[in-house]
Amino acid sequence: GQNIDQPTEMTATEGAIVQINCTYQTSGFNGLFWYQQHAGEAPTFLSYNVLDGLEEKGRFSSFLSRSKGYSYLLLKELQMKDSASYLCAVRASGGSYIPTFGRGTSLIVHP
Amino acid sequence: DAGITQSPRHKVTETGTPVTLRCHQTENHRYMYWYRQDPGHGLRLIHYSYGVKDTDKGEVSDGYSVSRSKTEDFLLTLESATSSQTSVYFCASGTADSNQPQHFGDGTRLSIL
Repeated sequence: GQNIDQPTEMTATEGAIVQINCTYQTSGFNGLFWYQQHAGEAPTFLSYNVLDGLEEKGRFSSFLSRSKGYSYLLLKELQMKDSASYLCAVRASGGSYIPTFGRGTSLIVHP
Repeated sequence: DAGITQSPRHKVTETGTPVTLRCHQTENHRYMYWYRQDPGHGLRLIHYSYGVKDTDKGEVSDGYSVSRSKTEDFLLTLESATSSQTSVYFCASGTADSNQPQHFGDGTRLSIL
């Protein structure tokens, strides 16, 4: 089976930096995705990691360590609109194209 | 965006009635998925399709069936709805390319009384 763990909820201040962690135990590894989901809306793609290291996209960065089964999403210069759920999803290896989702982290940004 | 739409967006129905949710995509994606999303559980896969008439079960498939008669359409049916199936249902589509994300519809909020 697969196990993906994220904190349930985090709070942060506007303008600050927040790191959302995701740990996983899967039968092999074939990529990790981060999605953002605002309340009442569909998840939207943020980032993809398959090799170790940091991928940067503007205010958002995502890091992966395959040996540790660990990823994080880093959000800089937080804005109120970043209040949302952040979903970590992992694709196992063996040709499977179907990712398994964690339960999501609800981020609340306050002034 | 993938151009993926779901209908209806909201539905209230009674226990024991059949319900069909529709998903339509315009990206010619081979793969389509149905998820349900509940507080504390995240997105859980119900059924998926890897081609026309090719479908398989996900982790929470009991009480649900699917059909895919055309590439662009994927239907989810609750044969006899129960209150435990009250949820938000998301459809998604995508390719088998490992680095490509799924594209999600806007969801259907289903309440079963």
